[in-house]
Parts: sequence; C-alpha cells; structure tokens
Amino acid sequence: AQTVTQSQPEMSVQEAETVTLSCTYDTSESDYYLFWYKQPPSRQMILVIRQEAYKQQNATENRFSVNFQKAAKSFSLKISDSQLGDAAMYFCAYRSSGTASKLTFGTGTRLQVTL
Amino acid sequence: DTGVSQNPRHKITKRGQNVTFRCDPISEHNRLYWYRQTLGQGPEFLTYFQNEAQLEKSRLLSDRFSAERPKGSFSTLEIQRTEQGDSAMYLCASSLISGTTRETQYFGPGTRLLVL
Repeated sequence: AQTVTQSQPEMSVQEAETVTLSCTYDTSESDYYLFWYKQPPSRQMILVIRQEAYKQQNATENRFSVNFQKAAKSFSLKISDSQLGDAAMYFCAYRSSGTASKLTFGTGTRLQVTL
Repeated sequence: DTGVSQNPRHKITKRGQNVTFRCDPISEHNRLYWYRQTLGQGPEFLTYFQNEAQLEKSRLLSDRFSAERPKGSFSTLEIQRTEQGDSAMYLCASSLISGTTRETQYFGPGTRLLVL
C-alpha cells in the first residue's frame, strides 16, 4: 500500500517570503500522480498543483511550484511571495495511474502567514 | 458549475442513532468519492462510484456504513448505530473521467458529524 508522509505539522512564513513544504511517499509503482491540496479554515479543499510521475519537468502554477524527485520519492511544494490568503492546511496526496483512483493523503502541514 | 455540495453541513446525534448524509456532485461528473477526515489527519478514502456502480470500498467502511448513488447523480452515505468513533468530517468529491480529461477530484465542504 502507498503511504504519504508530511513531517512538518506546522510552518510559518512572513508575507512576501518563500516557504517550502515537504512531502515524501512510498510506492512500488512507476506511474502515478501527486497532488497538493489546500484546505483553508472551515472551507473546502481545493487543488493547488499536480504532477505526473512520468514527467521530468516540475509543475508550476503561478506562485506555486513543486520539486519532484522521483528517485528519492520526494514531492515538495514551494510557495513564493506568500500572501495572507495562503494560510491553510496543505495536504500532499498520491494517486495510482491505474483504475484505482482514490487519493491517499498525508497528515497535512498547517501554514501560518505573518505580517 | 456550482461545485460539489453536501448536506447537512453539521450533524449532532446520539450514540446508536442512524444518520444519512447527501452529496450532490458537479453536474456531469461521473465519479463520486467519499472520504473521512478526523481531527489532525488527512482525509481517508471510504468508497467511490462511477456512475451508479460502487467500484471500491475501503476496509474502513464497516457493515454499519452504506453508500448509494442511484441514477448516477447524487449520493447518500448512511451510518447505522453510530458510535463515538464515527465523529469526523465526511468529505465528498467528484470528478470527470473521460479519454481526454485528466482526472481532478473536486471536494465539497464536508459534513461534520459529532456523536455524543
């Protein structure tokens, strides 16, 4: 079974600074997808960014980018120019590429953004 | 596109009672997922449907849990004889699977269940 580990329960960043959230995963599969989801307080979870394992190029979405290291099974999220609205729980998630499309989540990292 | 909706948003019940939650997916999404999220944890998969067919159930889904998706539209999740350990946020997500679309799961706001 696949597992996802987020070793940082909480992180803090100053507004306009850059922060990196860590995620590692364990799988025996060669093809899969990785995601970062954001869950603001009392609001629904939204997708931040996704990465296909077969792609060597790291995904980017505006201020959000990932560092995908397949051999190390590492998938970190970098948030540049942090904004107050970035404060939320961030979950790393794994999905197999086959028919089983369920997401396996990590325990999350709570990101605080300070002035 | 009105997003995934879930009702009720909050439910308080006494141990031993039955509860039912409803999820309305994004229109035309053919897959629907249920997850459970306890405090301090990430969501855990419970079950999912493709159209009206329930394709996978987690071992977390005990015999007291049942889910349906009649006509492949909305879904209900029923918990019978609730226990205090059932207290959690129940999340629904939907997605569109097609030959040319990368699947992305869109989540609803969740139903928070408290069993007293």
